[in-house]
Amino acid sequence: GAGVSQTPSNKVTEKGKYVELRCDPISGHTALYWYRQSLGQGPEFLIYFQGTGAADDSGLPNDRFFAVRPEGSVSTLKIQRTERGDSAVYLCASSLAGAGIQYFGAGTRLSVL
Amino acid sequence: SQELEQSPQSLIVQEGKNLTINCTSSKTLYGLYWYKQKYGEGLIFLMMLQKGGEEKSHEKITAKLDEKKQQSSLHITASQPSHAGIYLCGADNTDKLIFGTGTRLQVFP
Repeated sequence: GAGVSQTPSNKVTEKGKYVELRCDPISGHTALYWYRQSLGQGPEFLIYFQGTGAADDSGLPNDRFFAVRPEGSVSTLKIQRTERGDSAVYLCASSLAGAGIQYFGAGTRLSVL
Repeated sequence: SQELEQSPQSLIVQEGKNLTINCTSSKTLYGLYWYKQKYGEGLIFLMMLQKGGEEKSHEKITAKLDEKKQQSSLHITASQPSHAGIYLCGADNTDKLIFGTGTRLQVFP
């Protein structure tokens, strides 16, 4: 596609529920990143994929968060047993290689009630 | 860990005025990115700086990286309402970006 696509754009869920957020990177980009942005803050790194493997998952806050990229293209961020503190905008970015300009999607706004 | 501090946090200017946003790093910058963010549109890439003393311009926006590579500035000349948004600096940190907290710019006619 022309740009990074994220779905859904908005997600409202109840505390304790499971959610999946999807990211479709720019075609041909091997590197994919997930960030989380809380209100009034800059984005915070969560996880980085190079191809199908997670090259760096040091930013995942705890084991409720998990991400996959099974075919090296689309990625899914999975959050189990959601908490109100998980409410934020989740941003996905992709780049041609591990080092290079990261292009961002519009994000998924997650609200946990 | 590396931290980026942006100043000012918020800026309100009249259309046509010049302005500068600063980004200071706690460690040497090996790659510094400027992005602009509008509500619902994610981050839009503006410029990337890598060399000490480097300066890049695009339309009315100029970004510089100081010689010591610990501070960057973003300068907008003759601001327009279309420049309004949140400006974020991001530091290259082993394949991920570390972001500042952003500068919110408002431009009024």
